Amino acid sequence: AQSVTQPDIHITVSEGASLELRCNYSYGATPYLFWYVQSPGQGLQLLLKYFSGDTLVQGIKGFEAEFKRSQSSFNLRKPSVHWSDAAEYFCAVGAPSGGYQKVTFGTGTKLQVIP
Amino acid sequence: GAVVSQHPSWVICKSGTSVKIECRSLDFQATTMFWYRQFPKQSLMLMATSNEGSKATYEQGVEKDKFLINHASLTLSTLTVTSAHPEDSSFYICSVETGHSYEQYFGPGTRLTVT
Repeated sequence: AQSVTQPDIHITVSEGASLELRCNYSYGATPYLFWYVQSPGQGLQLLLKYFSGDTLVQGIKGFEAEFKRSQSSFNLRKPSVHWSDAAEYFCAVGAPSGGYQKVTFGTGTKLQVIP
Repeated sequence: GAVVSQHPSWVICKSGTSVKIECRSLDFQATTMFWYRQFPKQSLMLMATSNEGSKATYEQGVEKDKFLINHASLTLSTLTVTSAHPEDSSFYICSVETGHSYEQYFGPGTRLTVT
């Protein structure tokens, strides 16, 4: 079965600074990888996804993520953080399970942005 | 993507009563919907996969007689928490699978508090 690890529970960055959120996955083959953002009172929003091809994936809101097979990682990055980026970020992996498609989420990283 | 709504957004019920949560796909005919449960400061845990016109598939450890799922149409799935207890208090989130490589779109969630 697949699993996802987000080692950082909470991260604080200054507005305008760069950001990297870590994500490691466990799965025998190349999985489908996702990053979602959850803001208070709102549903999860898909930031970006990786299925195949170029390992550097561009998403919405200026986010990008890089798939590194050798490290089983799919880290999320943003060159300059805005105060509105404060939210909870979830990495997720999709893979077949029990005959259907299943998405497993990491425990999330809460991002705090300080002025 | 798909736009997903949930109703109610917040509900309080007394212990021993039942409560129904609706999940609607507003602009997409969804044959598959998912129900998740999210505890405070924790990740989303898949409860069940809801398939239109057939019985839901429950994850291991989820009581199917307690969490009744009905996916009667391509735009509506319901989750009924029967004989609710305080430990059922949680944030319940539904999602719609669009059929494109595990991509899911999420509702805003329903906060259930059982007193």
